[in-house]
Amino acid sequence: EAQVTQNPRYLITVTGKKLTVTCSQNMNHEYMSWYRQDPGLGLRQIYYSMNVEVTDKGDVPEGYKVSRKEKRNFPLILESPSPNQTSLYFCASSFLLSGSIGEQFFGPGTRLTVL
Amino acid sequence: QQQVKQSPQSLIVQKGGISIINCAYENTAFDYFPWYQQFPGKGPALLIAIRPDVSEKKEGRFTISFNKSAKQFSLHIMDSQPGDSATYFCAASIKAAGNKLTFGGGTRVLVKP
Repeated sequence: EAQVTQNPRYLITVTGKKLTVTCSQNMNHEYMSWYRQDPGLGLRQIYYSMNVEVTDKGDVPEGYKVSRKEKRNFPLILESPSPNQTSLYFCASSFLLSGSIGEQFFGPGTRLTVL
Repeated sequence: QQQVKQSPQSLIVQKGGISIINCAYENTAFDYFPWYQQFPGKGPALLIAIRPDVSEKKEGRFTISFNKSAKQFSLHIMDSQPGDSATYFCAASIKAAGNKLTFGGGTRVLVKP
């Protein structure tokens, strides 16, 4: 089954404790992206990647890191989480069509609480 | 400042009624306007999309109306069903700039039986 998977689905942590949220897709998509969803603000892009070893900042990158060492995986790293990073996080992937992002397929989400 | 403003934030409609969600945008360069549907515990999924060369697009009970001069577009859900209860997001993008999506704030729709 074609899908985007995220782990963990739920995470409660404390301020300053490094964490990684994994994202994997099995559709051979070039493009991958991380979003955070907050009430009233919709989805805001954190980081994106156009291909292996190519990553770039989105609209709200502060406090986050990413890497793209393999095409299928795009982990989101919070080196020192803070309470304002409490949110619902989504990973998404798509093909690139002549350099443009195609239909994005989203993972099931990771609900993160930072105490 | 949100480039795509969505209203209302929440909506309750009776089964069989019409749900209407509105979005307004600022950037006239936007040329692709999708709507995403998100069920509880799931990620958003593309529902329907429109380009500004048409004023309306219909897929089943879902219709997008587009008003280029007013810089507004809306989603109409006809004959709303309890299974339509979800959060809906409008979005906009510029194809020439890579099609990166800018999302509205979302509307939670509850259809009462």
